[in-house]
Amino acid sequence: QKEVEQNSGPLSVPEGAIASLNCTYSDRGSQSFFWYRQYSGKSPELIMFIYSNGDKEDGRFTAQLNKASQYVSLLIRDSQPSDSATYLCAVNMIRGSNYKLTFGKGTLLTVNP
Amino acid sequence: DGGITQSPKYLFRKEGQNVTLSCEQNLNHDAMYWYRQDPGQGLRLIYYSQIVNDFQKGDIAEGYSVSREKKESFPLTVTSAQKNPTAFYLCASSRRGAQETQYFGPGTRLLVL
Repeated sequence: QKEVEQNSGPLSVPEGAIASLNCTYSDRGSQSFFWYRQYSGKSPELIMFIYSNGDKEDGRFTAQLNKASQYVSLLIRDSQPSDSATYLCAVNMIRGSNYKLTFGKGTLLTVNP
Repeated sequence: DGGITQSPKYLFRKEGQNVTLSCEQNLNHDAMYWYRQDPGQGLRLIYYSQIVNDFQKGDIAEGYSVSREKKESFPLTVTSAQKNPTAFYLCASSRRGAQETQYFGPGTRLLVL
């Protein structure tokens, strides 16, 4: 099993719709979870982080974490064409005495006007 | 302005040549990281450093070397032993700790002539 898995997409939604991005992870000891957005040719930028089970909202974005199911998701409400990008899920996993941020391969989101 | 800078933006390497990618941060972060991104592969960890004068290998360290002589700087050398160096190289930094967010520089795109 891959450590962090995401559907590669592309996920296509109409403008104004809700986009739902999903991520599963293999390490039950993982403590922190991040969503990054990456535009083509650019570096990743942080969208949200979540540490506790449940939902966390920030503007149009909601992160959801279910540690029992080893599942984290990102919802984007009122999707805009400017949201079109690759979304990377990242999970901080314990490796000995250190922590390692492990990335999924990303989901390409396209928002159609 | 606080942030992470990487230079150059584009770098061309000839066969058998070593090249060095620069990464500087003024965020006062203890930890710094180097990732490689290939199309469809997500981000893979090359090296990381949690403190000055100390660094550890990541998942794909072969053919690369680093140094951490100053808190602000974490240069990456791509040696001639790296047979497939063409990729997008990303430097990141964070405070130390399992729940700390990593912030990325703008990246360097390395191409082989």
